[in-house]
Amino acid sequence: EPEVTQTPSHQVTQMGQEVILRCVPISNHLYFYWYRQILGQKVEFLVSFYNNEISEKSEIFDDQFSVERPDGSNFTLKIRSTKLEDSAMYFCASSETRISGNTIYFGEGSWLTVV
Amino acid sequence: QKEVEQNSGPLSVPEGAIASLNCTYSDRGSQSFFWYRQYSGKSPELIMSIYSNGDKEDGRFTAQLNKASQYVSLLIRDSQPSDSATYLCAVPSYNQGGKLIFGQGTELSVKP
Repeated sequence: EPEVTQTPSHQVTQMGQEVILRCVPISNHLYFYWYRQILGQKVEFLVSFYNNEISEKSEIFDDQFSVERPDGSNFTLKIRSTKLEDSAMYFCASSETRISGNTIYFGEGSWLTVV
Repeated sequence: QKEVEQNSGPLSVPEGAIASLNCTYSDRGSQSFFWYRQYSGKSPELIMSIYSNGDKEDGRFTAQLNKASQYVSLLIRDSQPSDSATYLCAVPSYNQGGKLIFGQGTELSVKP
């Protein structure tokens, strides 16, 4: 069964450093997403991406964050100058079409620890 | 701000019992609803979707939707210890980006 893959599964970084989280969405999917989940809290939407541009972003997704699709398969989330409160599980997801009735598939997540 | 509300639990049921999980949502225009299961430290896994008022059954799972009351529920029959997880209710936002809005999740514990 096709799946969304994410790397790394776990990364520890020092405060102030830049982090890039990588994702390979399901191959025929056109919509890509990043969500995050701080330990013990709800899953929160960060950003959606379609046709090589951001479709929507949340208040969390400020100038510290950026997304990119550098080639035909990868989808990346860059976090500049990480802060302690960026520690969370980051989930990449993809869907075939815009969600209206369509399923979003999640990757296994990248656990980011900022120290 | 569109909201999705769930009781955080934990909900504890004995093995073999029916577990009932509830969710309310604020956006009357919502048309589709999803239940995800999330094991500790893992990603959300879709288990049910429902679009029409009434019940939808899939194996031991039944989703129930009442749009007039803005209420969606998930019943798990013959609960097993392996069902112990957090169950997330999710509702799409119909902005251009198509994001999902999640509830805080209900933790279910099935005791052998």
